[in-house]
This record gives sequence, structure tokens and C-alpha cells, in this order.
Amino acid sequence: SQQGEEDPQALSIQEGENATMNCSYKTSINNLQWYRQNSGRGLVHLILIRSNEREKHSGRLRVTLDTSKKSSSLLITASRAADTASYFCATYTGANSKLTFGKGITLSVRP
Amino acid sequence: DAGITQSPRYKITETGRQVTLMCHQTWSHSYMFWYRQDLGHGLRLIYYSAAADITDKGEVPDGYVVSRSKTENFPLTLESATRSQTSVYFCATQGDPYEQYFGPGTRLTVT
Repeated sequence: SQQGEEDPQALSIQEGENATMNCSYKTSINNLQWYRQNSGRGLVHLILIRSNEREKHSGRLRVTLDTSKKSSSLLITASRAADTASYFCATYTGANSKLTFGKGITLSVRP
Repeated sequence: DAGITQSPRYKITETGRQVTLMCHQTWSHSYMFWYRQDLGHGLRLIYYSAAADITDKGEVPDGYVVSRSKTENFPLTLESATRSQTSVYFCATQGDPYEQYFGPGTRLTVT
């Protein structure tokens, strides 16, 4: 069963706008990760945030984690057409090194 | 080149046939994973392996068999393919600290 649930399922924005995607999960985690998948390709790791961190930045990416609400958000600033992809959150509980993925968010960035 | 490769990239097979999907990595990562990706289900873990000769079931293992005699290879076999196994299959390894690296995927169609 899915641990992470992303919201919204689909997002369409104009180039230059910010994109915010949310993920909620059910059980305690060791860390939470976000991945991107371009059409027809494998997933690519974007960023990892540990359970004792609240915010992390990487280039145009900003991820937050609220363990009390069991939720995370991924913000992509100044979006580009090349950011068009599906985005997945994945939770790591530490058990057997398994990641549990959500169903993904489809982001479309219009030029 | 270093990385993770999958073969074949595309495969069409008939119901009842045995088919093996190959996965090869050059990093010597201990953990390797097999996922299937279907619309509406996201990524679901089929099997994983912590090291050579150590494998364990994931969320949807029925109808699949894995082996891992060498660290670098992790083949997935469908013993008797069914239409419900039509999917895109991804192999992944786990690096440090916990991020996963995905192969390009194998698109399998069972007719």
C-alpha cells in the first residue's frame, strides 16, 4: 500500500511561476525523498530531507517536512518548460532499506 | 560506463511464456530493487536484494522470481506471463545515504 500520497494529482502552470507539490504519509519515517520522472524514463533523485530537518534547499528546489503533520512539500521556483515531468515523494522508514513511493504528480509547465 | 542498465528495453511476449528481464549495475551497490509502474498505482516494489544470495519479497511478488548470484546482476523472471503483468519494470540500486538510482526501464507487453 502507498505510504506517500501526493497532492494535487496534476498541476499546470506558466513558465516562470512557482510550483508547489504536497505529500502526506502515514507512519514515522527516517527520511523523505522526492524524485522526478520524465516521460518514458527512469526516476531521478532530486532531494532528501531527514526526519530531524525542517527545510532543505537545492538550486531551485525547496523541500519542507512537518513530521507532526506527516507531510512534506516540494517547491520549484521560477519553473521552466524542462521541469515538465512527474514528481514522486518516497518515504524511508529504515526497515529493510525500502522506499515507498506515492502515485506521483504530473507537472506541466507551459512555455 | 558506470551506471545501471536494463535489457531488453521493450519486450512483447505471449501469455504463459517465461521471460527474464535483466538488470546490471557497475557501482557495486549492495541493495537492488525491482519495481513495476502502472497507471493509477505508481511504483510498486516486486522484490529486493540486500546482497548477493539475499533476496526478499516486496509488495507484489506473486508470479515473479529473482536471483542474485553476483552483486552486479539482479534478473527478474516471470515464470508464466499473464496479461496483468503488462507493465513498465524498473530496476534500481541504493547508494549513499539512501537515494535510489533507477535504470531506464523495460516496457513489457503480454498478449
